[in-house]
Amino acid sequence: DQQVKQNSPSLSVQEGRISILNCDYTNSMFDYFLWYKKYPAEGPTFLISISSIKDKNEDGRFTVFLNKSAKHLSLHIVPSQPGDSAVYFCAAILNQAGTALIFGKGTTLSVSS
Amino acid sequence: ETGVTQTPRHLVMGMTNKKSLKCEQHLGHNAMYWYKQSAKKPLELMFVYSLEERVENNSVPSRFSPECPNSSHLFLHLHTLQPEDSALYLCASSQDSRLAGGDEQFFGPGTRLTVL
Repeated sequence: DQQVKQNSPSLSVQEGRISILNCDYTNSMFDYFLWYKKYPAEGPTFLISISSIKDKNEDGRFTVFLNKSAKHLSLHIVPSQPGDSAVYFCAAILNQAGTALIFGKGTTLSVSS
Repeated sequence: ETGVTQTPRHLVMGMTNKKSLKCEQHLGHNAMYWYKQSAKKPLELMFVYSLEERVENNSVPSRFSPECPNSSHLFLHLHTLQPEDSALYLCASSQDSRLAGGDEQFFGPGTRLTVL
């Protein structure tokens, strides 16, 4: 059973608007959550992370929000740019298990100009 | 340049072939990983190596055989694969295999494998 779920396989947004990518998880013991971005023919690259003891982390145009009671996190991109078009993966870490990331299936973001 | 390279980038093989995938990291990391990404499925962890020792094997069939001769190189030897093994195989590395503090993994570009 999937522990990290990205229920929207794709999202289309206009340039300059906000992109909101969502992720749900089932294991309340996860310690950290990360977002990775993947372009075609490249490996995933780290984007931003958040500790489970925080509810928000911001880095430039990217903000991740964590709602522990709902077991939900989201990535906001403001303003969206065409270069943001990629697949975005949500991932989680259990520190006590801690040898690898548990990934969602990914959401393909398309930003049109 | 992510610091993690993989060769070949594309591979087509028959079910009776033996081939190997190679991964090299130039980041001085101590842990290396193999992941499999099949169509419409999440990335699945296959193997974890820490300081050249295998620390995790996620119930991977024996037709996949990893090898880590040193902390910079990781191989995945393939033998008598099935068509359902066709996928993108991603290598990753991190400073340590225990991902405390949200440590990130650095990924290679992957090998697109097709088994006929």
